[in-house]
Amino acid sequence: DVKVTQSSRYLVKRTGEKVFLECVQDMDHENMFWYRQDPGLGLRLIYFSYDVKMKEKGDIPEGYSVSREKKERFSLILESASTNQTSMYLCASTSDTRSGANVLTFGAGSRLTVL
Amino acid sequence: AQSVTQPDIHITVSEGASLELRCNYSYGATPYLFWYVQSPGQGLQLLLKYFSGDTLVQGIKGFEAEFKRSQSSFNLRKPSVHWSDAAEYFCAATGTASKLTFGTGTRLQVTL
Repeated sequence: DVKVTQSSRYLVKRTGEKVFLECVQDMDHENMFWYRQDPGLGLRLIYFSYDVKMKEKGDIPEGYSVSREKKERFSLILESASTNQTSMYLCASTSDTRSGANVLTFGAGSRLTVL
Repeated sequence: AQSVTQPDIHITVSEGASLELRCNYSYGATPYLFWYVQSPGQGLQLLLKYFSGDTLVQGIKGFEAEFKRSQSSFNLRKPSVHWSDAAEYFCAATGTASKLTFGTGTRLQVTL
């Protein structure tokens, strides 16, 4: 069964800490995404990556960065966590998206609380 | 700007009753359309998708959705709801690029 694995389901961090959220997929997908989910706002795209070492900003990239050194792994980095980054973070992947007609496979999510 | 609207934040239905969740989109051309479901504490699972062709699409778990171009809608339906259908449902759309735009979600509660 294809899988997107997010290493941490629940994290509690303090304001100003550097936070790493890790995501690994075993489907050899080229494309990976990080979304943030908040009540009443749905899912908003933070960053995505079409290939190793490639990244593009989504709709809300401020305060975040990403790293994709290997095809299967896509990391979301909060350089200095703030309380307004308390949220559920969802990673997803898909194969070729040039047609737009591809389906995302999601991880189970990482719930981050920043105190 | 491209957008997806789910006008109902929360819906409650009785088990065995029919269900319709509304979704409207605003895109320059007909986008690809999706419905996802999220059970508590879980990631999102695809229910169904529309790319082209027959405007009534069948999905998993007995769900279906109908694409209506004239109304810019892609409503999700199920004839008889089961208690296990209680979850949050997201409509999403994308054009020729890869970025999905999601609606804000509809939380479904099922009463026994």
